[in-house]
Amino acid sequence: EAQVTQNPRYLITVTGKKLTVTCSQNMNHEYMSWYRQDPGLGLRQIYYSMNVEVTDKGDVPEGYKVSRKEKRNFPLILESPSPNQTSLYFCASSFHPQALPDTQYFGPGTRLTVL
Amino acid sequence: GQQVMQIPQYQHVQEGEDFTTYCNSSTTLSNIQWYKQRPGGHPVFLIQLVKSGEVKKQKRLTFQFGEAKKNSSLHITATQTTDVGTYFCVINSGGYQKVTFGTGTKLQVIP
Repeated sequence: EAQVTQNPRYLITVTGKKLTVTCSQNMNHEYMSWYRQDPGLGLRQIYYSMNVEVTDKGDVPEGYKVSRKEKRNFPLILESPSPNQTSLYFCASSFHPQALPDTQYFGPGTRLTVL
Repeated sequence: GQQVMQIPQYQHVQEGEDFTTYCNSSTTLSNIQWYKQRPGGHPVFLIQLVKSGEVKKQKRLTFQFGEAKKNSSLHITATQTTDVGTYFCVINSGGYQKVTFGTGTKLQVIP
């Protein structure tokens, strides 16, 4: 089944404790992206990746890191989480954005709480 | 980056009534996409519009791209409880790699 998976689905952590949220897709998509969703603000793009070893900042990259060592995986790293990073996080992938913007397939989301 | 305003923020309708959400940009858009997010779920792609004045239909949903490619609308005819969710318009910039979501319109359908 074609899908985007994220782990963990729920996470409660404390300020300053490094964490990684994993994202994996099995559709051989080149483009992957991370979003955070906060009430009243919609989804905001954190980072995106056009292909392996190619990443770039979205609108809200501060406090986050990403890597794309393999085509299927795009982990989101919070080196020193803070309470303002409490949010619902979505990973998404699409086939090839160089042509017309492509359909994005979203993972189920990760609800993160930073105390 | 580019910004897009979406109105209304919330809409409650009686089942069977129509519903419309609007998306407005201050700049000319290359394209616009619409996504739906059910409560507790993730965004799911609905449609993409590219051409000026384009109108596309999916059963009871009608999507329109403005003539000037600065606005778009999603209209649902005779809403059903299955239409409940948040509808987002999405625009692209930076060579299509950067993505901006509208703030969304949350639709509640009263049976």
